[in-house]
Amino acid sequence: EDKVVQSPLSLVVHEGDTVTLNCSYEVTNFRSLLWYKQEKKAPTFLFMLTSSGIEKKSGRLSSILDKKELFSILNITATQTGDSAIYLCAVSGGSNYKLTFGKGTLLTVNP
Amino acid sequence: GAVVSQHPSRVICKSGTSVKIECRSLDFQATTMFWYRQFPKKSLMLMATSNEGSKATYEQGVEKDKFLINHASLTLSTLTVTSAHPEDSSFYICSARSDTEQYFGPGTRLTVT
Repeated sequence: EDKVVQSPLSLVVHEGDTVTLNCSYEVTNFRSLLWYKQEKKAPTFLFMLTSSGIEKKSGRLSSILDKKELFSILNITATQTGDSAIYLCAVSGGSNYKLTFGKGTLLTVNP
Repeated sequence: GAVVSQHPSRVICKSGTSVKIECRSLDFQATTMFWYRQFPKKSLMLMATSNEGSKATYEQGVEKDKFLINHASLTLSTLTVTSAHPEDSSFYICSARSDTEQYFGPGTRLTVT
């Protein structure tokens, strides 16, 4: 059975701090790993990672995948209160690209 | 990026009635759509995988007679919650797969009274 484990489950920081969110996985026929941000509604897409060691960057957010050790990290630098959300990691695998989600990391950024 | 819509965004229904939720991919054709359920402060739980023109594949523990899924075209999948009960109250989210990514709909909040 496919499995995605995120840590920490929750995190409280102050504005300006840098955070690192972790995601480890076990999946059959790995295709890609995806990061999503969820506020009050459905998740919004952040990154899709398919290759090891290649950092993807979008503003203050960046992510990298290690396919040998089966994990990914999501970094957020200079955090802002608007970064407060649940960050979900999901892994796509199998013939139909089914996504298996981790439980998410609840990030709270205090002013 | 691609857009997926869901309708309705919010629905309140009485116990015992059925509710239909639509999921549409607006600017791409989706051969596969997925239906998820999310309880408060929990992660998304995959309910079923819907392929156009064939029967949906349900995850273990999901009752296929209760959650009817129809993927009538490459841009539309529907989820019907039949004989809804209060415990079916939840946030239902669909996603549609393009060649490279999955895009989520905005979700439907179902409340069964």
